[in-house]
Amino acid sequence: EIVLTQSPDFQSVTPKEKVTITCRASQSIGSSLHWYQQKPDQSPKLLIKFASQSVSGVPSRFSGSGYGTDFTLTINSLEAEDAAAYYCHQSSSLPQTFGGGTKVEIK
Amino acid sequence: EVQLVQSGAEVKKPGESLKISCKGSGYSFTNYWIGWVRQMPGKGLEWMGIVYPGGSHTKYSPSFQGQVTISADKSISTAYLQWSSLKASDTAIYYCARLIAVAGGPDYFDYWGQGTLVTVSS
Repeated sequence: EIVLTQSPDFQSVTPKEKVTITCRASQSIGSSLHWYQQKPDQSPKLLIKFASQSVSGVPSRFSGSGYGTDFTLTINSLEAEDAAAYYCHQSSSLPQTFGGGTKVEIK
Repeated sequence: EVQLVQSGAEVKKPGESLKISCKGSGYSFTNYWIGWVRQMPGKGLEWMGIVYPGGSHTKYSPSFQGQVTISADKSISTAYLQWSSLKASDTAIYYCARLIAVAGGPDYFDYWGQGTLVTVSS
């Protein structure tokens, strides 16, 4: 089973700051890495697919990069509405797995 | 419009059985994998397993294999997650979600249900 390790676990950020969340896979997964946002009391929402591909309807301040074992989710110019937990998810092999999550708080 | 509508919250006692549901609409239910994801109170997302309604193929995470049963009834566009004997540690929100397959196998979740809260307490 592929283990995804996210860092940091928690980040407190000022609006308009840049946020970087990393996700490291225990073995190479190519670009089969996806990112989700989960706001409090809501279902998760797809943000980025296949490491760097944008998703329709998601603001352009969200971007992803990486390949193999190291991946990054970047939020440029954080807005108050971005307060949420963020999760990475791999689909390279079954069972699929999620990272432990990163909670982003707005200062 | 694609929708996944889950059954309502449940309160059960340890040892009881339970089956929760996820009804898909707005798309061809038999052509997409459906997955189940657990979220324990205050914790992260856990991938439990998936079902392909078109052929009733299932895949489980080793952590959940033998603990739950995932199934689907394509005639009513509904996927299920069931337990034969609940434990207090099964208390969680359970989400169903549709999986997009790009290169053959299931890839990312694009639509999610609203979640079903299962509370197991004596």
